[in-house]
Amino acid sequence: DAGVTQSPTHLIKTRGQQVTLRCSPKSGHDTVSWYQQALGQEPQFIFQYYEEEERQRGNFPDRFSGHQFPNYSSELNVNALLLGDSALYLCASSLLGQGYEQYFGPGTRLTVT
Amino acid sequence: KNEVEQSPQNLTAQEGEFITINCSYSVGISALHWLQQHPGGGIVSLFMLSSGKKKHGRLIATINIQEKHSSLHITASHPRDSAVYICAVRSYNTDKLIFGTGTRLQVFP
Repeated sequence: DAGVTQSPTHLIKTRGQQVTLRCSPKSGHDTVSWYQQALGQEPQFIFQYYEEEERQRGNFPDRFSGHQFPNYSSELNVNALLLGDSALYLCASSLLGQGYEQYFGPGTRLTVT
Repeated sequence: KNEVEQSPQNLTAQEGEFITINCSYSVGISALHWLQQHPGGGIVSLFMLSSGKKKHGRLIATINIQEKHSSLHITASHPRDSAVYICAVRSYNTDKLIFGTGTRLQVFP
C-alpha cells in the first residue's frame, strides 16, 4: 500500500515564475491538505481539498491555488513566485472527519532564486 | 502567544537516557498529533491521541485533556532518535492542524 507521494522532490524556480506541485494521497483517503514549512519554522496550513473543492484555507494569498482530481490526487499552484515562497511544501492525506489521522508525504523542497 | 507551545526547544541526551518532550495548547481540540521530522526530510506521524495514553515500541504518548497538555516519552534513547519532534493539534472546529515549533533532539552515543 503506497503512502502519500509527492513530486517533484526538489525544484528551483526564478522569481516571477509559476510552479505546480503534485500529491497522491494514501490509498483510500479522500482529503488532501497542503502545508508550507519555511526553513527552521513549523508548518503552516495552506488549504484542504475534499470532493474536488477547497474546503478550508489558511492565511495565504490568492497566488496559492490548488486543485483536486476525481482520483483524489491534488496539485498546488503558486503564481508570481517570491523569494519568500522558498520552503518545504508538505501534503497530507486523510479521510474526511476529525477522527482520522493525517499521513504526510515526503515533501517538495522549492527554492526560489 | 502561540496556540501550541512545546518544551524544551532543544534537548541533548546520551544514548540510553529517558526523554520527555512536553506540549501545551490553548485551543479546543479533537485530537493531538506527535510527529517526527528528520533534517531536510518529510514528516512521519508517530501518534494521534484524543485521550489517555498510547505506546509504540520505545515511544509513549500521553494526553490530559482537562489540563490541555501532552507528553512524548522516549525510553532507552538511541542516536537514530535524533530528529525534530513536533506536536500538532487538530482544532475542534476544523480539520486543519496547528503546529508547535518543535523540539530538536540530539542523542549522542
